[in-house]
Amino acid sequence: QKEVEQNSGPLSVPEGAIASLNCTYSDRGSQSFFWYRQYSGKSPELIMFIYSNGDKEDGRFTAQLNKASQYVSLLIRDSQPSDSATYLCAVIDSGGYQKVTFGTGTKLQVIP
Amino acid sequence: ETGVTQSPTHLIKTRGQQVTLRCSSQSGHNTVSWYQQALGQGPQFIFQYYREEENGRGNFPPRFSGLQFPNYSSELNVNALELDDSALYLCASSVGTGGRETQYFGPGTRLLVL
Repeated sequence: QKEVEQNSGPLSVPEGAIASLNCTYSDRGSQSFFWYRQYSGKSPELIMFIYSNGDKEDGRFTAQLNKASQYVSLLIRDSQPSDSATYLCAVIDSGGYQKVTFGTGTKLQVIP
Repeated sequence: ETGVTQSPTHLIKTRGQQVTLRCSSQSGHNTVSWYQQALGQGPQFIFQYYREEENGRGNFPPRFSGLQFPNYSSELNVNALELDDSALYLCASSVGTGGRETQYFGPGTRLLVL
């Protein structure tokens, strides 16, 4: 059973701080990694995707991937109250088709 | 907006009934995946359709079945509903099946089984 693990939180950070969200995965052959944001009662919304080791930056968001450690993270700089949501880590399995395994999500609370 | 729509938005059924959920993918997206998301959990993969054929399946029983049509629409059918089937059902569309394609989610259908 391929797994994606996340700390469920809640992770509380003050407004303006950096929020750091972490994820580990079990499928060593996985090549594609995604972060989705999900507001309560809504569907997941794509924030970032990353395929290569290292950092990928997009505005206030930075995704970090370390395939050797099977670890992917998301940094949110200058956190805003509107960033308060559940963040889902998702990994495309190496099984030959596009099955995505999601973590259970980390709930982020940005305190004004 | 992702261009992916789902209907209905909410549905209430009783145990033992059958339900059909519908999804309309983005134009040109020939792959659709369906997920079940229970409260407090991440989405769980049900199955994927590519060019109208089932292309992969998660750990769900055969009473969960699907169809994909040439006009980029698809259906999820669930027979003999159980209380544990109560969840948010999400469809996600993408192009191809190569392993790097981003999936775009619809707004979901919330199913309650009584």
